[in-house]
Amino acid sequence: SQKIEQNSEALNIQEGKTATLTCNYTNYSPAYLQWYRQDPGRGPVFLLLIRENEKEKRKERLKVTFDTTLKQSLFHITASQPADSATYLCALDMASGGYNKLIFGAGTRLAVHP
Amino acid sequence: DTGVSQNPRHKITKRGQNVTFRCDPISEHNRLYWYRQTLGQGPEFLTYFQNEAQLEKSRLLSDRFSAERPKGSFSTLEIQRTEQGDSAMYLCASSLGATDTQYFGPGTRLTVL
Repeated sequence: SQKIEQNSEALNIQEGKTATLTCNYTNYSPAYLQWYRQDPGRGPVFLLLIRENEKEKRKERLKVTFDTTLKQSLFHITASQPADSATYLCALDMASGGYNKLIFGAGTRLAVHP
Repeated sequence: DTGVSQNPRHKITKRGQNVTFRCDPISEHNRLYWYRQTLGQGPEFLTYFQNEAQLEKSRLLSDRFSAERPKGSFSTLEIQRTEQGDSAMYLCASSLGATDTQYFGPGTRLTVL
C-alpha cells in the first residue's frame, strides 16, 4: 500500500527565513500531489496542487516541487511569518476510480518565531 | 458563509451510545467525502459519495458506521455502539467534479468516554 512520510518533528525557523518541508512516498507515483495547511481544531485548507508532469508550482510565497524519480515533493515558504505557523499536510491524489482519493501524510508542524 | 459546514462541532458521548454527524457541502458540489483524523495523524479516507450514491467505502468503515446522502445534498455519518477507539475528528469535504480540489469543513470532534 502507499506510504507517505513527512518530517515527524516540528520545524522551528526564524521569521523571514525560508521553510522547507519534505514529503516522501513509496510505491507508485500519484497523478497529483497536494499540500494543505491545517490549524489546530480546524479542517485542512488546500494550498497547492502539482501534477506528475510538472516539476515546480508557485503561488505567492509558496513553491512546490515534485520529483517522481526520487518520489519526493518539497514545499517551500519564503519570507516566512509567524502567521505561517501551522501543520502542513502532504496528500497523494491517486485519481483512481474516477475521483480524487487522497492519502494524507501525518503532517509537519511549522513554528515561525519572531 | 458558503463553505462546508459540519454539526455538531463537538460531541461527547458514553461508550455504547449512537451518534450522528451532519455535513452540508458547498451547494453546487456533487462530490462528498468523509475522513477521520486522530491526533498527530493526517486525515484517513472513510467514504465517498457522488450525488446520492455511495461509491466507495474504506475498510476503516466497520459495520457500526453508516453514511447517507439521501438527496445528494447534505450527508450524515452515524456511528452505532460507540467505542473509545472511535474518538477522533470526523472531517467532511466536498468537490465540484471528480478531480477537483476538495474543500474541507471544520470537522466534528468526537470524544467517547
